[in-house]
Amino acid sequence: DAGVIQSPRHEVTEMGQEVTLRCKPISGHDYLFWYRQTMMRGLELLIYFNNNVPIDDSGMPEDRFSAKMPNASFSTLKIQPSEPRDSAVYFCASSFGEEAPLHFGNGTRLTVT
Amino acid sequence: AQSVAQPEDQVNVAEGNPLTVKCTYSVSGNPYLFWYVQYPNRGLQFLLKYITGDNLVKGSYGFEAEFNKSQTSFHLKKPSALVSDSALYFCAALTGTASKLTFGTGTRLQVTL
Repeated sequence: DAGVIQSPRHEVTEMGQEVTLRCKPISGHDYLFWYRQTMMRGLELLIYFNNNVPIDDSGMPEDRFSAKMPNASFSTLKIQPSEPRDSAVYFCASSFGEEAPLHFGNGTRLTVT
Repeated sequence: AQSVAQPEDQVNVAEGNPLTVKCTYSVSGNPYLFWYVQYPNRGLQFLLKYITGDNLVKGSYGFEAEFNKSQTSFHLKKPSALVSDSALYFCAALTGTASKLTFGTGTRLQVTL
């Protein structure tokens, strides 16, 4: 298996623009997680899905952030409009089961200028 | 609320020497505990986990961790460090009441010749 695939690897955009990050989880995994990593705040869980259904989005910072999982093999995280403070590395991770180890993608480094 | 503490921002050790990366946790119920490693520009990789049973857990790349319930600790250890072990290490906790991991702030391990 190719592992969790995220795209793009890098994204540079201007403040106010819409940004869409994409994730393909490992086939057969039933949990999908979106994390954000910054030096100041470390790793933050934004939202997670179970069987394509959002379970907990309490970590989503603002209404500017939204996430979808239209099917078992694809998820998106959208920021509209983007702001400089959204600059971070965004990770997608998937797992098979509640207590199973997470498999992380290599992340999308977002820079908002 | 769950919390995970990694008291050391950085640990320095000479190659060939034993290493310990500390982790303490505060969770309700029986904890599931994990260690992950992150190399530069990569996502986190699973190293090992404790669910139940033997307090000494063996994982990937020669790492092991010791669960100590009375001290609420789960320290990561390796008998002989390698330069290639230099990376960022994260401890994480999960309880049966929630599917989301709580991560520590990370400890940077630097192994020198």
